[in-house]
Amino acid sequence: DAGVIQSPRHEVTEMGQEVTLRCKPISGHDYLFWYRQTMMRGLELLIYFNNNVPIDDSGMPEDRFSAKMPNASFSTLKIQPSEPRDSAVYFCASSLERGLAGYTFGSGTRLTVV
Amino acid sequence: DQQVKQNSPSLSVQEGRISILNCDYTNSMFDYFLWYKKYPAEGPTFLISISSIKDKNEDGRFTVFLNKSAKHLSLHIVPSQPGDSAVYFCAASGDNYGQNFVFGPGTRLSVLP
Repeated sequence: DAGVIQSPRHEVTEMGQEVTLRCKPISGHDYLFWYRQTMMRGLELLIYFNNNVPIDDSGMPEDRFSAKMPNASFSTLKIQPSEPRDSAVYFCASSLERGLAGYTFGSGTRLTVV
Repeated sequence: DQQVKQNSPSLSVQEGRISILNCDYTNSMFDYFLWYKKYPAEGPTFLISISSIKDKNEDGRFTVFLNKSAKHLSLHIVPSQPGDSAVYFCAASGDNYGQNFVFGPGTRLSVLP
């Protein structure tokens, strides 16, 4: 398996533009997580899905952020409109049900909003 | 307020010596803990875990110790190797399925040759 695949690896966009980050989880994993990493706050959980259904989105910072999982093999995180303070590395991770062995993370998308 | 704290942002250790990374948590409901290692430009990778029914778990050079009364855990790496240089995250969870982990801010370990 190729692991969790995120695209793009890097994204530079202007303030006010829409940004869409993409994630393909590991096949068979029932849980998918979106995390954001910043210097100030470390790794923060934004939202997670179980069997394509959003379970907890309390970490989504504002209404400008939205996430979808239309099927078991694809998820998106959208920011509209983007702001400079959204600049961070965004990680997607997936795990099996009862993922007690931990998550498998993608390599992340580094977002820079100028 | 951070529920999982790693108070040392960085640590330098000589190759061959022991590295000790510390983690403290505030939520007494946490009962499952993980350590992740992260190299630059890569996602975090799972390293070792421990549940609250144990106070120690060992995997090769890596040992995690848990002190529930102190709400403290530590990761010991013996002997440390230059390839261990990375950022280490502690994570904790209290839900039944261990799905919703809270991560600490990380400690950057540098192992000097």
